[in-house]
Amino acid sequence: DAGVIQSPRHEVTEMGQEVTLRCKPISGHNSLFWYRQTMMRGLELLIYFNNNVPIDDSGMPEDRFSAKMPNASFSTLKIQPSEPRDSAVYFCASSLRGYNSPLHFGNGTRLTVT
Amino acid sequence: KQEVTQIPAALSVPEGENLVLNCSFTDSAIYNLQWFRQDPGKGLTSLLLIQSSQREQTSGRLNASLDKSSGRSTLYIAASQPGDSATYLCAVRAGGTSYGKLTFGQGTILTVHP
Repeated sequence: DAGVIQSPRHEVTEMGQEVTLRCKPISGHNSLFWYRQTMMRGLELLIYFNNNVPIDDSGMPEDRFSAKMPNASFSTLKIQPSEPRDSAVYFCASSLRGYNSPLHFGNGTRLTVT
Repeated sequence: KQEVTQIPAALSVPEGENLVLNCSFTDSAIYNLQWFRQDPGKGLTSLLLIQSSQREQTSGRLNASLDKSSGRSTLYIAASQPGDSATYLCAVRAGGTSYGKLTFGQGTILTVHP
């Protein structure tokens, strides 16, 4: 099992550019989460999918952020336009069906917006 | 709104000591509580998951307990080793209408020195 796979590992971009982060969950997992981690705010849930359907996007900071899950094996988090305050590590996590399964995290994408 | 607090924020101990990390949460309506380990520049690794109906879980030198009614969990590490040095995070998975949202504490930075 390859685990949750995120790409790219690092992304450096200029303010105003579009950024797309990618995630491949563990095969068979039907819940997918996008988290953001910063020193100031710790880990924050951005959006949560269940069976490819967005369930809770209340953590998405603003309209510049959007997430999709077109199928069970792929999800994207897009920021357009990016701003320096979006700089953080973005994690994707997945879990099996049901709320009593542990979350498995990817290694994250470190985003730097200059 | 669920709030998760971890104490202490940082802990430094000599190798071989037994230690306890604390986690408290404000809303006892949870499905489960999960302890994670995060190494610098890496993602989160799941250590233990305790269901809301359980009192404790053990894995090797790690033992996690849960007192749901008082909103507390502890992670006990026996015979600590330098390789245990990492940030330890606890997270509670919400019940009710929160669709299984996971809320994290800020973490405890553990350093075990030889």
